[in-house]
Amino acid sequence: DVQLVESGGGLIQPGGSLRLSCAASGFTVSSKQMSWVRQAPGKGLEWVSVIHSGGSTFYGDSVKGRFIISRDNSENTLYLQMNSLRAEDTAVYYCASRAGSGWYDNWGRGTLVTVST
Amino acid sequence: EIVMTQSPATLSVSPGERATLSCRASQSVSTKLAWYQQTPGQAPRLLIYGASTRATGIPARFSGSGSGTEFTLTISSLQSEDFAVYYCQEYTNWPTFGQGTKLEIK
Repeated sequence: DVQLVESGGGLIQPGGSLRLSCAASGFTVSSKQMSWVRQAPGKGLEWVSVIHSGGSTFYGDSVKGRFIISRDNSENTLYLQMNSLRAEDTAVYYCASRAGSGWYDNWGRGTLVTVST
Repeated sequence: EIVMTQSPATLSVSPGERATLSCRASQSVSTKLAWYQQTPGQAPRLLIYGASTRATGIPARFSGSGSGTEFTLTISSLQSEDFAVYYCQEYTNWPTFGQGTKLEIK
């Protein structure tokens, strides 16, 4: 069974940093495109970042230059390093695996990040 | 950037009836369109990809149609567990989601 489990969320002050983790089981993270998608409270879904199986990384405009996506193949874990956090980064962050040409077939349960004083 | 617009924002339907949800793309996405269902406190669940292909384990009462810029998700006979928020997503390049349609009990 495929499972994705996020961790690392919490309350952080503006300007701070946080690293999210997503532990995968049932498949290897290096074999699929892996993404982070976030959802602000009461809002819709927003794509944040993707890492391709070959290692290329891409970011949405709202996080470019502040967030870094990576993976550890030996740990089968996806990461999101979030720096210079802002109030508008407050959201539930989901990791998700991309299938085929780009839909998301598996999602974690999410981890809440709250940026506030 | 492609903008996805879903309508209506809220749809009230009685159990057992049919629900029709719409999604419009600001430019053609061919059939690179997926639908997700999200219940409160849960992660999204993939329902449809390729505009009309049901994902594994999705009941036959869910169907998707359309191509280009106009898409429809139809739920033929609503069950209690179907009342949720539904999102469309295009995947021609960077994924873009619609703002969602909340399907509520009438």
